[in-house]
Amino acid sequence: QTVVTQEPSFSVSPGGTVTLTCGLNSGSVSTSYYPSWHQQTPGQAPRTLIYNTNTRSSGVPERFSGAILGNKAALTITGAQADDESDYYCVLYMGDGNWMFGGGTKLTVL
Amino acid sequence: DVQLVESGGALVQPGGSLRLSCAASGFTFSSYAMTWVRQAPGKGLEWVSSISISGASTYYADSVKGRLTISRDNSKNTLFLEVNSVRAEDTALYYCARVQGDIWGKGASWFDPWGQGTLVTVSS
Repeated sequence: QTVVTQEPSFSVSPGGTVTLTCGLNSGSVSTSYYPSWHQQTPGQAPRTLIYNTNTRSSGVPERFSGAILGNKAALTITGAQADDESDYYCVLYMGDGNWMFGGGTKLTVL
Repeated sequence: DVQLVESGGALVQPGGSLRLSCAASGFTFSSYAMTWVRQAPGKGLEWVSSISISGASTYYADSVKGRLTISRDNSKNTLFLEVNSVRAEDTALYYCARVQGDIWGKGASWFDPWGQGTLVTVSS
């Protein structure tokens, strides 16, 4: 069974840089999976940050960037701010109109 | 402004049924595929179902196949999700989202924007 993997939690200092990853339990993530990233703060609906691997959604600060690093999709936050403390979810297009989310990464900024 | 507003969430007994709705405004609804994503309390996001622009093609996660039915009414700018034979594990906040791009993978596709969600609670 295919599983999309993410780090359960991560911590970064204010002003620091953090890279969250999105992998597959079997195989590599490539641009063909069209990875996207979504941010969710408690009690709020998800917000789209990055789509098509590395394209920032409208209004998303430049400190958020996406890429393929090795065999995983990656979301990098450069110069983390306190309000970046959220849950981050990647989602991959699996083909035939199907998508799959990762389990999410809880990011703490402290 | 683009807006998606879900409704229809309720407390329902195991084995029961309900229909969720998602009213779209601020964009040409009939030009976009749509999707439902759910989130159980304290858990992550789970893709549930998607539907093509015309409604002719529908897709479901294996975990819900056979019990959930996605549909749309382009004349009323509304997306639906019918949930049958509900189980405790269907308890979740159900979000609708617009699918940007190509639903068949011929190019990039992603979910944006998202609605605020409607809560389904399954309990006797």
